[in-house]
Amino acid sequence: GAGVSQTPSNKVTEKGKYVELRCDPISGHTALYWYRQSLGQGPEFLIYFQGTGAADDSGLPNDRFFAVRPEGSVSTLKIQRTERGDSAVYLCASSSRDRPYEQYFGPGTRLTVT
Amino acid sequence: QKEVEQDPGPLSVPEGAIVSLNCTYSNSAFQYFMWYRQYSRKGPELLMYTYSSGNKEDGRFTAQVDKSSKYISLFIRDSQPSDSATYLCAMSSSGGYQKVTFGIGTKLQVIP
Repeated sequence: GAGVSQTPSNKVTEKGKYVELRCDPISGHTALYWYRQSLGQGPEFLIYFQGTGAADDSGLPNDRFFAVRPEGSVSTLKIQRTERGDSAVYLCASSSRDRPYEQYFGPGTRLTVT
Repeated sequence: QKEVEQDPGPLSVPEGAIVSLNCTYSNSAFQYFMWYRQYSRKGPELLMYTYSSGNKEDGRFTAQVDKSSKYISLFIRDSQPSDSATYLCAMSSSGGYQKVTFGIGTKLQVIP
């Protein structure tokens, strides 16, 4: 497909478990972003990758959250010891180098921590 | 106080009405202003992008930025039921890497 894809679309996990959320950006897009959107809120920035490196991870709420993009394409957001407050929709977006303001979002992963 | 303030609505209008959506912001470093549309259970979709102050028109949509007042607007002319969605304003201070700060979103319903 041509758009940003995210898997899984839904994830239910128990408090204390570890989860991985995957993002597959648009082919050729060098920049990749993760956002978190809680119910009734706008997306909140978590981390930004330019290529393989995390250029800005200032939005990660604590050290339970970690993200990687080892080959500069697919990215994985990892959450350890999940808490009920982590329940939200996790959105991924990508953009090209020459049009960085055009961020294309995926459909999101809806995470529910019980 | 949040950096970006947006009335969550909901806003209900009859089909064909002109819709006005607004945001205010406090960070004077913001120079890039975007409007996104988000349908239920979907990711946001970029509608309009404006740099600095001024107006930009694209079909039925007009974006306005007044940096002196720290106020931005999106106007939708001849609104359609398919315009029913949540509209998010978003802002950034950088033209390259774009760490974007979003508003809470305004839920719009266009009634046939």
